[in-house]
Amino acid sequence: QVQLQQSGPGLVKPSQTLSLTCAISGDSVSSTRTAWHWIRQSPSRGLEWLGKTYYRSKWYNDYAVSVKSRITFNSDTSKNQLSLQLNSVTPEDTAVYYCARVQVIVAGGTGDWFDPWGQGTLVTVSS
Amino acid sequence: QSVLTQPPSASGTPGQRVTISCSGSNSNIGSNKVNWYQQFPGTAPKLLIYRNNQRPSGVPDRFSGSKYDTSASLAISGLQSEDEANYFCAAWDDSLNGYVFGTGTKVTVL
Repeated sequence: QVQLQQSGPGLVKPSQTLSLTCAISGDSVSSTRTAWHWIRQSPSRGLEWLGKTYYRSKWYNDYAVSVKSRITFNSDTSKNQLSLQLNSVTPEDTAVYYCARVQVIVAGGTGDWFDPWGQGTLVTVSS
Repeated sequence: QSVLTQPPSASGTPGQRVTISCSGSNSNIGSNKVNWYQQFPGTAPKLLIYRNNQRPSGVPDRFSGSKYDTSASLAISGLQSEDEANYFCAAWDDSLNGYVFGTGTKVTVL
């Protein structure tokens, strides 16, 4: 059973960098059959896709346009985990952040659904 | 921010059928498959329906999904008290080159 365990600070000051980690068990971060996604949820913006990272002989990152200039994904194969960094945060970045897996290659074709999700990390941007 | 439109709420008595709509456009629902997620307060969303109408193992068959043109629907037949939750639709958007989500529907069991 695949599980995603998130960690990171719950409070970040404006203009600073938000950093979160997502530890994976039951699958490999460098699996060529999966992609790892970051999603956030807030009352004002609803669910918002932030982007994905995946390994296909090398690492690829696709970022959502809304955060592309401020966001970075990294992967640590030795720890089997993902990380997200969001720079220059403002109170609008206050949200619950999730990591989630997409099995791109599944029986019957390709997949595009998020399963499972991490437990979520509430990050508040405030001084 | 949400690109897919859902009614904010839906309700029914135990045993009733409840339907939730999800309205999109040609670039998302019209071109790609729809997935549905169930979320209880304070917890992460959980996959409920994938590929428009497929149920993952463990999801009761009272949940069903459908898609027509640029809209999708989630139906809950034989509504139960444990179905009281928020429900979201999601799909890939070819124009935005990213995933888009519905605004969410809170289902209340009366």
